[in-house]
Amino acid sequence: KQEVTQIPAALSVPEGENLVLNCSFTDSAIYNLQWFRQDPGKGLTSLLLIQSSQREQTSGRLNASLDKSSGRSTLYIAASQPGDSATYLCAVRNTDKLIFGTGTRLQVFP
Amino acid sequence: NAGVTQTPKFRVLKTGQSMTLLCAQDMNHEYMYWYRQDPGMGLRLIHYSVGEGTTAKGEVPDGYNVSRLKKQNFLLGLESAAPSQTSVYFCASSQTLAYEQYFGPGTRLTVT
Repeated sequence: KQEVTQIPAALSVPEGENLVLNCSFTDSAIYNLQWFRQDPGKGLTSLLLIQSSQREQTSGRLNASLDKSSGRSTLYIAASQPGDSATYLCAVRNTDKLIFGTGTRLQVFP
Repeated sequence: NAGVTQTPKFRVLKTGQSMTLLCAQDMNHEYMYWYRQDPGMGLRLIHYSVGEGTTAKGEVPDGYNVSRLKKQNFLLGLESAAPSQTSVYFCASSQTLAYEQYFGPGTRLTVT
C-alpha cells in the first residue's frame, strides 16, 4: 500500500529564506506526483505536476524535483515571502488514485 | 471559466438525515473525484468517475453514493448521515490520469 510522508510537519522561517519541503513515498511505481498549496479554509491549488519520466518542474520561484528510485520529491521555494504561508501537500498517483501526504504547514514571517 | 464549483459551502445535518453535495466543472474534464479531509488524516478518496455514467469506489466509500449523469456534474449523496461523516468534502476534476487535478473550494459538513 502506497504511503506518502511529508517532513517537516510545520516550518516557520523569516522572509527571504530559500526553503526545501520534502515528500517521500513507499512505492516507486508511480505515474506522476503533484504538489498543491492549501490556504486555511480553502481548496487546493495545483502548483506543479511531475510525470514519472521527468526529473523536475519549475514555475516561477518554485522548483520540484522527483527521484522515483529513492521514493523522494522536494519542493524548493526561492526567496520566500509572507504570501507563501500555507499548507503544502504532495500527492502521488498510483493507477487511478492520488495518495496524499498530510502536508507541511509553512509560515513565513516579515 | 469558473473551474470547479461546489454547492453548498456549509451544511449542518442531524444524525440520520440525508443530503446531496453537488460538484460542477466547466473544463470538459473526463475524470471527477470526491475526497474528504480530516485533521491528521489528510485527503482520502471517497468515489470517483472516469466519464459520464461511470462511478467507482475509492478508499473510504462506505456510507456514500455518487452519480455522474452529466459529464460536468458529480453528485455525492449521504443517505443516513452519521457524526463520523463530519468533515470537509472536496471535489476535483482532471482531463485524464496524466493531467493535474483541479479542486473545488470545499463543503464543510457537520453532523450532530
